[in-house]
Order: sequence, then C-alpha cells, then structure tokens
Amino acid sequence: NAGVTQTPKFQVLKTGQSMTLQCAQDMNHEYMSWYRQDPGMGLRLIHYSVGAGITDQGEVPNGYNVSRSTTEDFPLRLLSAAPSQTSVYFCASSHSWDSQQGYQETQYFGPGTRLLVL
Amino acid sequence: KQEVTQIPAALSVPEGENLVLNCSFTDSAIYNLQWFRQDPGKGLTSLLLIQSSQREQTSGRLNASLDKSSGRSTLYIAASQPGDSATYLCAVVGETSGSRLTFGEGTQLTVNP
Repeated sequence: NAGVTQTPKFQVLKTGQSMTLQCAQDMNHEYMSWYRQDPGMGLRLIHYSVGAGITDQGEVPNGYNVSRSTTEDFPLRLLSAAPSQTSVYFCASSHSWDSQQGYQETQYFGPGTRLLVL
Repeated sequence: KQEVTQIPAALSVPEGENLVLNCSFTDSAIYNLQWFRQDPGKGLTSLLLIQSSQREQTSGRLNASLDKSSGRSTLYIAASQPGDSATYLCAVVGETSGSRLTFGEGTQLTVNP
C-alpha cells in the first residue's frame, strides 16, 4: 500500500490564482481530512469527509472547497489564493470513525504540500 | 474552546536518557488523546492512541499516560536514541468537537549522541 499520497510537494502561486491540492489513499478509509500547519498555530482542521459524497467544515474552512466523489480521493481547492494561505497542508485518513467519538483507530497522514502564495 | 499546551517547547538531552514530554488540555471532556511524531519536512506518524477510559498505552520504549480529570497526558521515552529526534505532538478529540482533533504546538526533541 502507498498509504496517503499528496501532490504536489511544493507549489508557488500568485495572489488570486486557483489550484487543487490532491490527496489519495489506497487503504479503503472512510474518513479523510485536510489540515494546515502554521508556526505558532499548530495544525488546524480545514475540511473533512466521513465518506464518499459527504463533507463538512472544520475550524478554518474559508477560502477552501472540497468534494469527495470516490472513497480514495479528497482534493482541496483554493478558489482565489491569498498570502494568508501560505502554509503546509496535510491530508489524513482513518478507517474507523464514530460520529461522536471521532476516529477509533490511527489517523494516517500524507507527507504534506508546502504552498507559498506571493 | 479546547486548548492544548505542550511543555517544554524544545528539549535537548544526551543519548540514553529517559525523558518525559507533557501535554495539557483545558477541557477534560475528551474521547481520546493521541501522540504523534513529526520529522522535519515530513508528515505526522501516530505513536499512541489512548481512549478516555484508558490510563496508559505502551509501544516499545514509549509509554503514554492519561489523567483525564486533571487534563494531562505524558509521553515517556525510555533510553532515548538520536533517532528519536523529532517534534512530538499531542492531540485530543473533545466530546463537543464533533470528532475533530485539537493539536498542541509540539515539543521539539533533540537527542545528542
């Protein structure tokens, strides 16, 4: 298994440009999520999905869109990039998830995408 | 709002030393707590997951304890090695957070040969 893969590894954008960060997992996990990591802020949840066709907002969803058409893929779209979106983005997935208690098993993280918005 | 604090922010120890990393959380109503390791430029690797009904979990040289009522967890690393050098993060899932993880900012550990 490749686990959780993310592309690209690094991207530079100009303000106002759009792009899609790709995330895929081959473990048949139902639960997938996107985090951003910033110095002094830790990791913060952007969006998450509990299964194909179901998505919900996390702590910092503004400026980002997601969709989940398949179990394997969970792309994150930046509609109009802003310098405040400069960050490292991580995708994560988990097999077992409860609507109240969250994941019951390990969450697996991808290697991250470093995004710089000028 | 749940807040997770990790102390110290950075720690440097000689090889072979036993060490303790601390994590505290403001809202004791949690479902579980997880410790992660992050190497520079890499993603997160899960180390230990403790459910709220458990007191501790062990994996090899790692032992994590949870005191839910006091809002504290510790990660004990025995006989530290240079390969243990990384940032260690703890995260909790609160009972009112809808399965979301709330992370601390981490402790950056350096183990010197």
